[in-house]
Amino acid sequence: TQLLEQSPQFLSIQEGENLTVYCNSSSVFSSLQWYRQEPGEGPVLLVTVVTGGEVKKLKRLTFQFGDARKDSSLHITAAQPGDTGLYLCAGEEAAGNKLTFGGGTRVLVKP
Amino acid sequence: EAQVTQNPRYLITVTGKKLTVTCSQNMNHEYMSWYRQDPGLGLRQIYYSMNVEVTDKGDVPEGYKVSRKEKRNFPLILESPSPNQTSLYFCASSLGSLGSLDRDKYNEQFFGPGTRLTVL
Repeated sequence: TQLLEQSPQFLSIQEGENLTVYCNSSSVFSSLQWYRQEPGEGPVLLVTVVTGGEVKKLKRLTFQFGDARKDSSLHITAAQPGDTGLYLCAGEEAAGNKLTFGGGTRVLVKP
Repeated sequence: EAQVTQNPRYLITVTGKKLTVTCSQNMNHEYMSWYRQDPGLGLRQIYYSMNVEVTDKGDVPEGYKVSRKEKRNFPLILESPSPNQTSLYFCASSLGSLGSLDRDKYNEQFFGPGTRLTVL
């Protein structure tokens, strides 16, 4: 099983600040997904990145897939309290049919 | 409304008492899976199913069983629960099996609301 490591595990910032969450592996993934999970709910997909070097933007969120498809980052600009949650990355193994999740990064944005 | 439902949402039981957590999706999805979520460990896949009557082990299948007799349902069975199975469980479904060409469309996992299980 391929492993995905997320860092940091916990991030606490003030409203308006920027933050970056990292997702790293020594293995290559066919694609990588980012999910956000709020307390008492299941994760909800934010984005899927497929191509090495790909950058996708979703309003204030920017997602990047590493050139070698081994790592990814999520950058939030001007964070808001509504961005608070658990962010999870998940990689699809090259052989397919399996999604491996990282340990998650808990983000707290204080007003 | 397109959704994945799980029941029960909360369950406290005792060691050895068989239990079933149901999962149902109304999106005609092929792929379904079960995960458990534990602090610091993220989501770990227990079992998955690529279609009716097709199931396979995930990363942590010990102590669990599943069945896929109908496309919409994917129950998780704990024949003899133990305290180390205390966890938050999620069922998920997606349109097609992972590895399909149109990954944005077929790959998105839709998660249920979770079942918090405590085994005493």
